[in-house]
Amino acid sequence: GENVEQHPSTLSVQEGDSAVIKCTYSDSASNYFPWYKQELGKGPQLIIDIRSNVGEKKDQRIAVTLNKTAKHFSLHITETQPEDSAVYFCAAKGYQKVTFGIGTKLQVIP
Amino acid sequence: DAGVTQSPTHLIKTRGQHVTLRCSPISGHKSVSWYQQVLGQGPQFIFQYYEKEERGRGNFPDRFSARQFPNYSSELNVNALLLGDSALYLCASSPEGTAAYNEQFFGPGTRLTVL
Repeated sequence: GENVEQHPSTLSVQEGDSAVIKCTYSDSASNYFPWYKQELGKGPQLIIDIRSNVGEKKDQRIAVTLNKTAKHFSLHITETQPEDSAVYFCAAKGYQKVTFGIGTKLQVIP
Repeated sequence: DAGVTQSPTHLIKTRGQHVTLRCSPISGHKSVSWYQQVLGQGPQFIFQYYEKEERGRGNFPDRFSARQFPNYSSELNVNALLLGDSALYLCASSPEGTAAYNEQFFGPGTRLTVL
């Protein structure tokens, strides 16, 4: 089955700096890669996603890149703000099933 | 528009008991998936239902079962509860069950504690 590895597990950045979270996946059949933000006591919220036929996607301060050959994908957050502090999950989806990474706890220090 | 709703919010049970968790998807969404999220880990896929039929199952024992109703709401049932079943149970809805690219929208979850 699919295996998704995510790192780092924790990340502290100063407000205004950039944050990068990296994931790898094992199943070459995976074709959809969403990223979720989970705040304390809430369910995961989709923040950006990328499909396997696209190498990069950007939405304001958030960008995601995908390297299908290396089976790597990354989340980039620029100009971080205190409200970006949360746990971020990467995920990979093949046919029907979504496999999540272990999560990265991001702390943005004001 | 209402998002995915789940009930109850919190639940405390003892070992050996049975529990039923409920989920209402976003209006117009026909697919519901269930996930278990243990503290400090990512969600683990349990089931997906589409049009009342099971479309996917994760690596969970037969104590876990689910169903989807004609109005697309869903129930997750867990029998013979174990301490290790303590977790946040998440429901996610998506508009289609068979397309390759399905955005999933999660509910707030039900926090189950087994004593």
